Amino acid sequence: QKEVEQNSGPLSVPEGAIASLNCTYSDRVSQSFFWYRQYSGKSPELIMSIYSNGDKEDGRFTAQLNKASQYVSLLIRDSQPSDSATYLCAVFLGTASKLTFGTGTRLQVTL
Amino acid sequence: DAGITQSPRHKVTETGTPVTLRCHQTENHRYMYWYRQDPGHGLRLIHYSYGVKDTDKGEVSDGYSVSRSKTEDFLLTLESATSSQTSVYFCAISERQREFHEQYFGPGTRLTVT
Repeated sequence: QKEVEQNSGPLSVPEGAIASLNCTYSDRVSQSFFWYRQYSGKSPELIMSIYSNGDKEDGRFTAQLNKASQYVSLLIRDSQPSDSATYLCAVFLGTASKLTFGTGTRLQVTL
Repeated sequence: DAGITQSPRHKVTETGTPVTLRCHQTENHRYMYWYRQDPGHGLRLIHYSYGVKDTDKGEVSDGYSVSRSKTEDFLLTLESATSSQTSVYFCAISERQREFHEQYFGPGTRLTVT
């Protein structure tokens, strides 16, 4: 089992819809979770961080964390073509004391 | 890119030659990291630094060395480049320690070893 797992996609959603991106992790002793957006040929850009169970909203983005089920998700409301990118989930694995990245989910927002 | 620059941005080199990549930050952050990104593997940590002259290995450190003589600069050296080190290399910085450290990435260096 990978330490941080994401569906590679592509996830295709129409413009204006909600995109839902999911990430699971293996280490129960994990306390911090991050979502990065990466456009093709560019560097990862931090868009959300979440440390507590529940939802955290920032503009059109909502991060959801469920530590009991060991998953974290990212919702993008009113998806725009400019949201088309690869989204990386990163988890600070407490047992190993390291930040580990998933391989990313490619999102395509269609017109 | 949060005040982070990397040089060079692109480099082609031959197998067996030494290569040094530079990361420079203007944020005065204590922690600096070098990652490589390859298809199917995601981002993998090579080395990191937690202060001037304080460095440690990551998960894929074989064939790489680092140095940090100033807060703002973190150098990654490939002692003798191999084709398996063809990759995109990212530098990252963070201000805080351990689980609350949000990392910010530089623009990357695309390295090709022929």
